[in-house]
Amino acid sequence: QVQLVQSGTEVKKPGAPVKVSCKVSGYTLNDLCFHWVRQTPGKGLEWMGAFDVADGDKVFAQNFQGRVSVYVDTSTDTAYMELSSLTSGDTAVYYCAAARGLLSWFDAWGQGTLVTVSS
Amino acid sequence: EILLTQFPATLSVSPGERATLSCGASQTVNSDLAWYQQKPGQAPRLLIFGASTRATGVPARFSGSGSGTEFTLTISSLQSEDFAVYYCQQYNNWPKTFGQGTKVEI
Repeated sequence: QVQLVQSGTEVKKPGAPVKVSCKVSGYTLNDLCFHWVRQTPGKGLEWMGAFDVADGDKVFAQNFQGRVSVYVDTSTDTAYMELSSLTSGDTAVYYCAAARGLLSWFDAWGQGTLVTVSS
Repeated sequence: EILLTQFPATLSVSPGERATLSCGASQTVNSDLAWYQQKPGQAPRLLIFGASTRATGVPARFSGSGSGTEFTLTISSLQSEDFAVYYCQQYNNWPKTFGQGTKVEI
């Protein structure tokens, strides 16, 4: 059973980037697709983008095009999401989620990483 | 973008009672709909995929139905651990979208 453990809380200044990691265990990384979702009280659950490890396909939500990067490090079984040019509106809990395909439900979720953007 | 509308926003139920949650899609998603449960301070947890298939380990009191644009999650007899927020999600089309959630409270 796939388990995902994310990196810890981040506090960032406006304009800075943030990188969130998501370590995988219990499953073969190459058989997974990783989705990134954020949650705020105002907007609820917001899907940001996805990465298919097997073929390298990536899909991003229009709201995040050009500002988000997703990739994996197969040597450490870790997925990463980087979000640049942070604003206060990016303050949220960020989740990684694992799926068996890009057009599939999310089988497992990481515990979430709180990112706070404040000057 | 496919909009998912969940109703009611809040459902007040007593333990042992039946709860019925609804999710409507702005266009057809066929059966590509999942339900997740989220408790305070926790990540969402998969309950149902394919509109009606329970995920591994999910109790039989949870059931999903529907296809196209109308979906229902039913909890047959609420237990104390079921009080949470429930989200529907469509994975038929890009971008993946979620409903705004239904809070099931005592």
